[in-house]
Amino acid sequence: GDSVTQMEGPVTLSEEAFLTINCTYTATGYPSLFWYVQYPGEGLQLLLKATKADDKGSNKGFEATYRKETTSFHLEKGSVQVSDSAVYFCALSDPGANSKLTFGKGITLSVRP
Amino acid sequence: GAVVSQHPSWVICKSGTSVKIECRSLDFQATTMFWYRQFPKQSLMLMATSNEGSKATYEQGVEKDKFLINHASLTLSTLTVTSAHPEDSSFYICSAILGQGKYEQYFGPGTRLTVT
Repeated sequence: GDSVTQMEGPVTLSEEAFLTINCTYTATGYPSLFWYVQYPGEGLQLLLKATKADDKGSNKGFEATYRKETTSFHLEKGSVQVSDSAVYFCALSDPGANSKLTFGKGITLSVRP
Repeated sequence: GAVVSQHPSWVICKSGTSVKIECRSLDFQATTMFWYRQFPKQSLMLMATSNEGSKATYEQGVEKDKFLINHASLTLSTLTVTSAHPEDSSFYICSAILGQGKYEQYFGPGTRLTVT
């Protein structure tokens, strides 16, 4: 079945540091890929998405590129801010699965001033 | 737009009782809603897919008689945890999609259930 693997956390960075959060996936078809963010006390929000190979999703300074050859969708940001502190989830949606999402375990990012 | 609310945000109940959690799409009609369960420091696990006017589709291993889902209108789905036990304590999250062929899910803020 489909699965998503995220790097182990938590991650603690200083403000303005470079961020990479690794995500790899296993899917039978050609899934759409997502990054969701959960700020403290809030629901999950879609951060960015990519629907086909080589697509790059971007939002709020975050980027991720759909790499079919390495089955990866790593999240990057050049300069993190304290306000980026949150839990980040990588997810996929198999087109044959009625919009169902398969999530990775999530990783907590803490950014210190 | 595309706001999903949940009520209550947290609830404590005694073992053996039932508790109902509501999920509402506030500014759109949701033909499909999803219910997830999230354990501490773990991922969201899909429990069931709820379609308006029809029976929910449960994921493997989820007891449909224990977790009753009703999607009676295009803006409301409910999850009732029946005869709750301490092991049912968890964070329950719902989401909704805008319509047929749409894949982006909009999530509610979640409901923390504690069974004592």
